[in-house]
Amino acid sequence: QKEVEQDPGPLSVPEGAIVSLNCTYSNSAFQYFMWYRQYSRKGPELLMYTYSSGNKEDGRFTAQVDKSSKYISLFIRDSQPSDSATYLCAMSEDDYKLSFGAGTTVTVRA
Amino acid sequence: DGGITQSPKYLFRKEGQNVTLSCEQNLNHDAMYWYRQDPGQGLRLIYYSQIVNDFQKGDIAEGYSVSREKKESFPLTVTSAQKNPTAFYLCATQSGGSNTGELFFGEGSRLTVL
Repeated sequence: QKEVEQDPGPLSVPEGAIVSLNCTYSNSAFQYFMWYRQYSRKGPELLMYTYSSGNKEDGRFTAQVDKSSKYISLFIRDSQPSDSATYLCAMSEDDYKLSFGAGTTVTVRA
Repeated sequence: DGGITQSPKYLFRKEGQNVTLSCEQNLNHDAMYWYRQDPGQGLRLIYYSQIVNDFQKGDIAEGYSVSREKKESFPLTVTSAQKNPTAFYLCATQSGGSNTGELFFGEGSRLTVL
């Protein structure tokens, strides 16, 4: 079993829809949780960062962490074609060595 | 411009040849990382270095080697011992003073073994 599980999709939604992405994990020591966005042929860039359980909102993006269920989510509201990318969840115990999910490829259709 | 420069962007190699991927940064970050990305598998850690002249193996170090002689540079050598080297390789840095652990990535190097 992988330490971090993420459905690779692909996921295709119409413009304006809510995109829901999630990851599950097995290591209960994880306490730093991140979402990275990766455009085609580029390196990933940090989108959201959360420490421990709770919600965090940044514009159209909301990240949720439920440590009791070992489950994290990313929601994108009012999705735009420019949101088309691969979204990777990542997590770590100590802020250094990150464990990544497989990434979910999202396409937002105009 | 501050950033991370990986070269070459595309590289073709014959079986049995070693190849070195370059990673240079001018962000003054202490830690540097090499990841490998394969379709459907996410990013897997090859090697990382938190200070000059010191580095540790990641989860898939076999067939790879690194050096960290300067803070700015962390080259990765893919040796002929690596059984399946065709992949997208990503270099990343991390500031020692960061309170988020954010990784900054280069644009990647795509290696194809013919």
